[in-house]
Amino acid sequence: GQQLNQSPQSMFIQEGEDVSMNCTSSSIFNTWLWYKQEPGEGPVLLIALYKAGELTSNGRLTAQFGITRKDSFLNISASIPSDVGIYFCAGLAPGAGSYQLTFGKGTKLSVIP
Amino acid sequence: EAGVAQSPRYKIIEKRQSVAFWCNPISGHATLYWYQQILGQGPKLLIQFQNNGVVDDSQLPKDRFSAERLKGVDSTLKIQPAKLEDSAVYLCASSLGALVDLGEQYFGPGTRLTVT
Repeated sequence: GQQLNQSPQSMFIQEGEDVSMNCTSSSIFNTWLWYKQEPGEGPVLLIALYKAGELTSNGRLTAQFGITRKDSFLNISASIPSDVGIYFCAGLAPGAGSYQLTFGKGTKLSVIP
Repeated sequence: EAGVAQSPRYKIIEKRQSVAFWCNPISGHATLYWYQQILGQGPKLLIQFQNNGVVDDSQLPKDRFSAERLKGVDSTLKIQPAKLEDSAVYLCASSLGALVDLGEQYFGPGTRLTVT
């Protein structure tokens, strides 16, 4: 099946620093999405990207849909303690019966106050 | 707006026992998904419903897992009999169902299953 390679696996940063994480695949995706998951909760959608080359911001978060449609990155500027969590990239592509969302393994972000 | 509801939040069973999870999606959401999330991994789709019909169950281990959404609203996922490797968080998600926003899924808090 389709696989997403997400890196880094984990990050420890100081409060106020910028963060960058990315996701690559050997397959093409129609849509790239970034989710955040906190302990004991389900993933929450942060940003959705629908066109190759698209650059979208949501507050301090910025994400881009790669031109090749096989990669995406997420940047967080001026990190704060509440940014702590696991960030997942996800790609939407045709599946067995409909469009299917495939998730990466996540980037665990820790912010040191 | 109420979010996706799931119950129970936690369940511990012995291997070979049966277990069932319940999900109530966001009102008006036509598409419902069940995911399995093993510790340290991203969620993996098990089954997708559009209203009360199955759209994709290609990754559902059908020898032991079953799911239904009889009235096109809430859904149950059952495991019978459970194996040790079924220990995971089972997440339910829903979306409006329009093709363009199938990726915009809203997740419930999940049910953490431990099989001993």
